[in-house]
Amino acid sequence: DVKVTQSSRYLVKRTGEKVFLECVQDMDHENMFWYRQDPGLGLRLIYFSYDVKMKEKGDIPEGYSVSREKKERFSLILESASTNQTSMYLCASSGGGPGQQTNTGELFFGEGSRLTVL
Amino acid sequence: DQQVKQNSPSLSVQEGRISILNCDYTNSMFDYFLWYKKYPAEGPTFLISISSIKDKNEDGRFTVFLNKSAKHLSLHIVPSQPGDSAVYFCAASAKGVNNDMRFGAGTRLTVKP
Repeated sequence: DVKVTQSSRYLVKRTGEKVFLECVQDMDHENMFWYRQDPGLGLRLIYFSYDVKMKEKGDIPEGYSVSREKKERFSLILESASTNQTSMYLCASSGGGPGQQTNTGELFFGEGSRLTVL
Repeated sequence: DQQVKQNSPSLSVQEGRISILNCDYTNSMFDYFLWYKKYPAEGPTFLISISSIKDKNEDGRFTVFLNKSAKHLSLHIVPSQPGDSAVYFCAASAKGVNNDMRFGAGTRLTVKP
């Protein structure tokens, strides 16, 4: 059974704290993504990675960084959390690069991490 | 600026009737479109997709229609069931170009018994 696992379902942090959100996938997927979900805004892409040590900015990268040291793990880092980063964070993975057979286009999501910054 | 738009935040239908969820996109590079379903406290799950070389794809009760000239797609659910009540997200990607995917704001479907 394929799985994307996010380390924490619920976190409460204080303004200025450093926050790590971890994501692990067991499908040997090349691509991994971080989104945030906010009411009325849907899922917005923060960063994605198509290979180990590679990263690309999404639509809203400000205030975030990412790390992909191993193929199966993609971490989202909030260097100094702010209240406007209170949100649901969703990690996803997909297989293959453009034009590759394993690129089905489908994303597999984790259950999400709800972060509250006070 | 959102490249994928779902203009109806909510939709309510009676059990057994048809549900039609709509989605518009602006980026002409998009060539692959998907619908995801999300229940509360769970991650989105893939429902159905369509490539830009097609104008219709059907899977059981779910059918997705694509109108490329209008940059519009829709998801039809017939007959609707109470278990279909969820938030539905439209998504699009330029599959042949890169790997990132853009989502709409979602439509909350409620199917009443």
